[in-house]
Amino acid sequence: DIQMTQSPSSLSASVGDRVTITCRASQGISNYLAWYQQRPGKVPKLLIYAASTLQSGVPSRFSGSGSGTDFTLTISSLQPEDVATYYCQKYNTAPRTFGQGTKVEIK
Amino acid sequence: QLQLQESGPGLVKPSETLSLTCTVSGGSISSSTYYWGWIRQPPGKGLEWIASMSYSGSTYYNPSLKSRVTISVDTSKNQFSLKLSSVTAADTAVYYCARRPSGPGPYDYWGQGTLVTVSS
Repeated sequence: DIQMTQSPSSLSASVGDRVTITCRASQGISNYLAWYQQRPGKVPKLLIYAASTLQSGVPSRFSGSGSGTDFTLTISSLQPEDVATYYCQKYNTAPRTFGQGTKVEIK
Repeated sequence: QLQLQESGPGLVKPSETLSLTCTVSGGSISSSTYYWGWIRQPPGKGLEWIASMSYSGSTYYNPSLKSRVTISVDTSKNQFSLKLSSVTAADTAVYYCARRPSGPGPYDYWGQGTLVTVSS
């Protein structure tokens, strides 16, 4: 099975900072990669699919890039409401594995 | 607006079978356009994909759980279900039902989740 590895596991940044989270697949998955945001105590929310396509209603400060095995989620200007854990997920084939998550906090 | 709602016992005894149902409203489960799935999250931990299926019965399972998992759909009730047998404390988690497009696609609609605790 393909493993998904995120880094870092957690980060702390200031409001307005640019934040980058990395997701690496153990084998190539083309662009079948999604990013989810899970705010504390809330349901996961789809942010980005097809590695770089923003889901409707998601603020434009979020962006995604990558293809094959290496992917990034970028928050261009961190806002207080972005405090959350972010997960990547491969969805080309089963099992549709998630990364272990990256917890983003405000410094 | 599509809504998914999980239901089932919040407490299950070790070695027994966990049974959950997801009721879909605001849309038909009998659409070839979508698959319906289950994802879980142990307290304080990450997300684990369990399984998914189409209304016609095509199923996909996480190999790590496949021997214990059964998913099914009831189109007459617009519901789909999860059964997980021989549960242990490690199966304690919030269980989410969710929808994804058929063919490769992310989960775009999620239920609110239901906490299932495995304890005697």
